[in-house]
Amino acid sequence: KQEVTQIPAALSVPEGENLVLNCSFTDSAIYNLQWFRQDPGKGLTSLLLIQSSQREQTSGRLNASLDKSSGRSTLYIAASQPGDSATYLCAVRGTTSGTYKYIFGTGTRLKVLA
Amino acid sequence: KAGVTQTPRYLIKTRGQQVTLSCSPISGHRSVSWYQQTPGQGLQFLFEYFSETQRNKGNFPGRFSGRQFSNSRSEMNVSTLELGDSALYLCASSLEVAGVSGELFFGEGSRLTVL
Repeated sequence: KQEVTQIPAALSVPEGENLVLNCSFTDSAIYNLQWFRQDPGKGLTSLLLIQSSQREQTSGRLNASLDKSSGRSTLYIAASQPGDSATYLCAVRGTTSGTYKYIFGTGTRLKVLA
Repeated sequence: KAGVTQTPRYLIKTRGQQVTLSCSPISGHRSVSWYQQTPGQGLQFLFEYFSETQRNKGNFPGRFSGRQFSNSRSEMNVSTLELGDSALYLCASSLEVAGVSGELFFGEGSRLTVL
């Protein structure tokens, strides 16, 4: 059974700092992995999607890496800004019919201080 | 291009009632999935539909059901509501090309409160 863990659960950093958010999964047979941000009371906003054959994806100040063999993904945020404050979630999609659904981590609540 | 639209955004029901939530996916997206989000359990998968067929189902009781129409719009229904059904219900759509699953896009959610 796939389990997705995100550590730390909460993080507070000063503005301008580079930071790394972690996502671990127990079953390496994944189809893809996606990172999202969620603002309070809102839906999820897609940040980056990494297919299983890819090692990383970049969008602006964000870079996500994927290491299937170790069951890990990291989201790197460069030069953090107060507007980056949100909860960040990762989700993995399995490859077989019984697991072909997204399993979400519990998220990392990020606060960037001005 | 319009995003994923969920209606209603907020609703209050009492125990024992039933509720129907609606989701209109991004134009061209045939995959629609539903999730329940609560502070205690986080985001949990309910079910996924693709071309009007349920492709996957999460571990929820039979009171939770859904369907998808030929225009890809989807509805989910919860019957005999319980207090524990209070949650944010999120719908997401994605584009599949040649069997390759694309990015998941979410709506703003329907906030259900059961009294």
